Amino acid sequence: QVTLKESGPALVKPTQTLTLTCTFSGFSLSTTDMRVNWLRQSPGKAPEWLARIDWDDEKFYSTSLKTRLTISKDTSKNQVVLTMTNMDPVDTATYYCARSMVTTLHFDYWGQGILVTVSS
Amino acid sequence: DIQMTQSPLTLSASVGDRVTITCRASESISGWLAWYQQKAGKAPKVLIYKASTLESGVPSRFSGSGSGTEFTLTISSLQPDDFATYYCLQYYSYPSPWTFGQGTKVEVK
Repeated sequence: QVTLKESGPALVKPTQTLTLTCTFSGFSLSTTDMRVNWLRQSPGKAPEWLARIDWDDEKFYSTSLKTRLTISKDTSKNQVVLTMTNMDPVDTATYYCARSMVTTLHFDYWGQGILVTVSS
Repeated sequence: DIQMTQSPLTLSASVGDRVTITCRASESISGWLAWYQQKAGKAPKVLIYKASTLESGVPSRFSGSGSGTEFTLTISSLQPDDFATYYCLQYYSYPSPWTFGQGTKVEVK
């Protein structure tokens, strides 16, 4: 059974760096084909893809946010970490991690999400 | 980036109605489109991928069609559990970014 769960702070101050961890089970990021993505969804808006890390450690970022994002993985812990620098109130959103695979491509399993509020 | 435009943005319907939602891409995405259902406070759930393939466990009243730039999601007979917001996702652009439509809220008429 594939599960993912996001963890991190619920509240960050403007200009701070956000660090989120996705802990997953039911698959391994050392297995060919596996990918883990980060997405976010602002209240009342559509989800927005942020970043992806592949089984071979290839990394991809949103064009508009790439200067602020870093994604990494710890295969032994089944974790993927996303950092986002210089947080702003407009970054207030629910952040999700989601799995995808090379063979099917779409996001097939999602975490429950974590609401992050940016406020002083 | 490829833009995805859904219509309508809100749809009022009754249980038993046939419901159709359209998603248009700003350029051809072949068949690389998925449909998601999202309920309040929950993560999106995939219904359809590769434009017309039903995800395992999803009721057969959901169906998808289309290719190129125009796609549809059809619910053949709306059930009480189907009142939710639906998003299309294109995953054609490589390596990134993949983009969602704005969403269609299906509400009680």
